Amino acid sequence: GAGVSQSPSNKVTEKGKDVELRCDPISGHTALYWYRQSLGQGLEFLIYFQGNSAPDKSGLPSDRFSAERTGGSVSTLTIQRTQQEDSAVYLCASSLVAGHSYNEQFFGPGTRLTVL
Amino acid sequence: AQTVTQSQPEMSVQEAETVTLSCTYDTSENNYYLFWYKQPPSRQMILVIRQEAYKQQNATENRFSVNFQKAAKSFSLKISDSQLGDTAMYFCAFMKGTSYDKVIFGPGTSLSVIP
Repeated sequence: GAGVSQSPSNKVTEKGKDVELRCDPISGHTALYWYRQSLGQGLEFLIYFQGNSAPDKSGLPSDRFSAERTGGSVSTLTIQRTQQEDSAVYLCASSLVAGHSYNEQFFGPGTRLTVL
Repeated sequence: AQTVTQSQPEMSVQEAETVTLSCTYDTSENNYYLFWYKQPPSRQMILVIRQEAYKQQNATENRFSVNFQKAAKSFSLKISDSQLGDTAMYFCAFMKGTSYDKVIFGPGTSLSVIP
């Protein structure tokens, strides 16, 4: 089966514009995660979903960032009024949630966002 | 809060040689997982190896092995017989011992394998 897919692969936008980033998780994976990777940095957690609900939004850096997930599948990360510091690679991951043991997170290829 | 530290921003190794990447972490949790992820220039994040904190035995995956020192909160990665395809960013990471949760990543070590 297909892995996690993300679109677009690259996005260039002007400061102040809104952008939407999309993540398609692996079919059947109920947990979905968003991370941000700034240039030369490690990954920073943003938000995760279990089904359509988001138990942990603690990583969203400001109220300009929001995310939703519908139908327990596709998720959209929206950044309003983009700023240059939002430039980064946005990575999505998904995992099964089965039992109480570890479930591997599988990552997508990311969306590189550049804010001019 | 959990933190992960990698003190080696860049490393290099000759092809076929062995290299060790260092990682330390801080947590008050007793049950957790530790990981090493590889990110080649393609940006695809790949899980290299996983260690459960309750296991004393160090994890191994082919040429990759870890040295897990729980009391010292140290988790190093050893790559044996280094290959050109091992050139990548390597991230040490932590996750609480639940079936799902956020992963906390270190800042990464850029490894170059030299022919």
